[in-house]
Amino acid sequence: DGGITQSPKYLFRKEGQNVTLSCEQNLNHDAMYWYRQDPGQGLRLIYYSQIVNDFQKGDIAEGYSVSREKKESFPLTVTSAQKNPTAFYLCASSIPGGIGYTFGSGTRLTVV
Amino acid sequence: GEDVEQSLFLSVREGDSSVINCTYTDSSSTYLYWYKQEPGAGLQLLTYIFSNMDMKQDQRLTVLLNKKDKHLSLRIADTQTGDSAIYFCAETDSWGKLQFGAGTQVVVTP
Repeated sequence: DGGITQSPKYLFRKEGQNVTLSCEQNLNHDAMYWYRQDPGQGLRLIYYSQIVNDFQKGDIAEGYSVSREKKESFPLTVTSAQKNPTAFYLCASSIPGGIGYTFGSGTRLTVV
Repeated sequence: GEDVEQSLFLSVREGDSSVINCTYTDSSSTYLYWYKQEPGAGLQLLTYIFSNMDMKQDQRLTVLLNKKDKHLSLRIADTQTGDSAIYFCAETDSWGKLQFGAGTQVVVTP
């Protein structure tokens, strides 16, 4: 079955450490996205990539970094510069002209 | 501020109809979407409507689109406890990206 996989489901890190969240898709989608979700605030776009080796900042890119070396993979690194990293992170993918996005099941990051 | 606006909370009794409302701003949106998010999970596409349609019905779901007022609604008939979730409205912006509302928390009570 085709889908989009985020791992791990839960992640705990100490303050000041960088952490990388994984997102892999086997849908052959060109575009991939990272969102952050906080309670009552909906989804906020962090980064997106429309093609391999290219990506753009979203609305809240500060303190995050991404890479897109393969079509299937779009990992997100939460750096120590991100002031408030505890959140639920969602990855999504899409094709140009397609219907909507396909979402992963999310990673809940807790920084202590 | 939000380009897509929704009320944040809706409480409905089991068996009643739920109506979730949304207003959007980009009149060039080709499709408008409703996504459902269950606790601790990702978003799943519930239904969508093409911008040249006024209504779309899919089993218990009815989507109404008023392009003049940029108003989208989702009606769930015979609401069940499994319908308790957060529902997101989304439009397509001029760059082809989805813009989401803040989500409406629907709580179904027995």
